Amino acid sequence: DSGVTQTPKHLITATGQRVTLRCSPRSGDLSVYWYQQSLDQGLQFLIQYYNGEERAKGNILERFSAQQFPDLHSELNLSSLELGDSALYFCASSGSGDTEAFFGQGTRLTVV
Amino acid sequence: GQNIDQPTEMTATEGAIVQINCTYQTSGFNGLFWYQQHAGEAPTFLSYNVLDGLEEKGRFSSFLSRSKGYSYLLLKELQMKDSASYLCAVRVYGDYKLSFGAGTTVTVRA
Repeated sequence: DSGVTQTPKHLITATGQRVTLRCSPRSGDLSVYWYQQSLDQGLQFLIQYYNGEERAKGNILERFSAQQFPDLHSELNLSSLELGDSALYFCASSGSGDTEAFFGQGTRLTVV
Repeated sequence: GQNIDQPTEMTATEGAIVQINCTYQTSGFNGLFWYQQHAGEAPTFLSYNVLDGLEEKGRFSSFLSRSKGYSYLLLKELQMKDSASYLCAVRVYGDYKLSFGAGTTVTVRA
């Protein structure tokens, strides 16, 4: 158990819908990262927050947004969902810039 | 961005040794990480190199050469449970994310 908690584990929704994925980082970790992993691609970095502020942004679509709350949990919002958004979405957390990131178990999103 | 290359697949026999190579092209290198990922599960941290040389951790070792932009992960005394994808990731100064390679799927056969 990495200490990073993601909910829900599985999500099935229709095209055009909006969903929210939730992540609770390890106790004391200030950084939260979101990654997308599709079947035909590796782990693609989406966005990072540090202590409530956006710190780094990857190839995140405009339909996607995220935030980190004062209690350090984070949410990834995906809207106007398309079939191609079906993927595993991982959240990871770390304590500082020089340490490894610990991953949650992921949310498997299926868009039908 | 970072260009990270690793082989797609490798197969080895139980009890043998396998070496997974990773090459990267980046400026401002600030660390190389190896993760293990079983299908459908979360990546788990294996090793971290920031200086040249070999880091040994039980059956797993990782090597780094910054001048060559090269790392390898060595898995010794292979067990069936080592069948997984192994991900090489790079971090650079001023950036905090880990950029991952596509992963190497290792299959261990009896």
